[in-house]
Amino acid sequence: GAVVSQHPSRVICKSGTSVKIECRSLDFQATTMFWYRQFPKKSLMLMATSNEGSKATYEQGVEKDKFLINHASLTLSTLTVTSAHPEDSSFYICSGAGARYNEQFFGPGTRLTVL
Amino acid sequence: KQEVTQIPAALSVPEGENLVLNCSFTDSAIYNLQWFRQDPGKGLTSLLLIQSSQREQTSGRLNASLDKSSGRSTLYIAASQPGDSATYLCAVISGGSNYKLTFGKGTLLTVNP
Repeated sequence: GAVVSQHPSRVICKSGTSVKIECRSLDFQATTMFWYRQFPKKSLMLMATSNEGSKATYEQGVEKDKFLINHASLTLSTLTVTSAHPEDSSFYICSGAGARYNEQFFGPGTRLTVL
Repeated sequence: KQEVTQIPAALSVPEGENLVLNCSFTDSAIYNLQWFRQDPGKGLTSLLLIQSSQREQTSGRLNASLDKSSGRSTLYIAASQPGDSATYLCAVISGGSNYKLTFGKGTLLTVNP
């Protein structure tokens, strides 16, 4: 299957700072990328969908000004958590889908801890 | 709104046992259904993807079935091994202009040596 990487794999930051997470498709062009969040013992919840070169579409209840998503190229999407707070601590996972949309390929996830 | 339920939430079995994990969904208008494996603190590994026109898919010791009309899927694991211990997630894929995955909470499987 296709490979998606995420960086960093783990980040700890102070409350009030901003954190950027990168998601890269290594061997395919991801026309669409998805960002998910997973709290302990909970389902993965879709946060937003981004198409290359256009604004992201956010799911209901997700603050677009807090979770900034940029999908500037067919191989890179970034999620920036602005003014992070302890309640933003979670596991963030991205996925990418090619033009045919048959399958999403998932990154390894980023563990964010906000102190 | 699509809702996905997985039963049981946790399962512990001795090595060598065959087992079945269950997934149900409320809206039968799905595009695909996918089973994933997630190890602690890790991302997702895709196991099997079943298209809506298919009834089952097999890979090695894994067999997944899909009954769209009843809103159910099962993942059958034969001859379980300790290395199979992980959380198994079921995800329903809605197609068209609203393409998205809706995940269940998962089944935590422990296979004891």
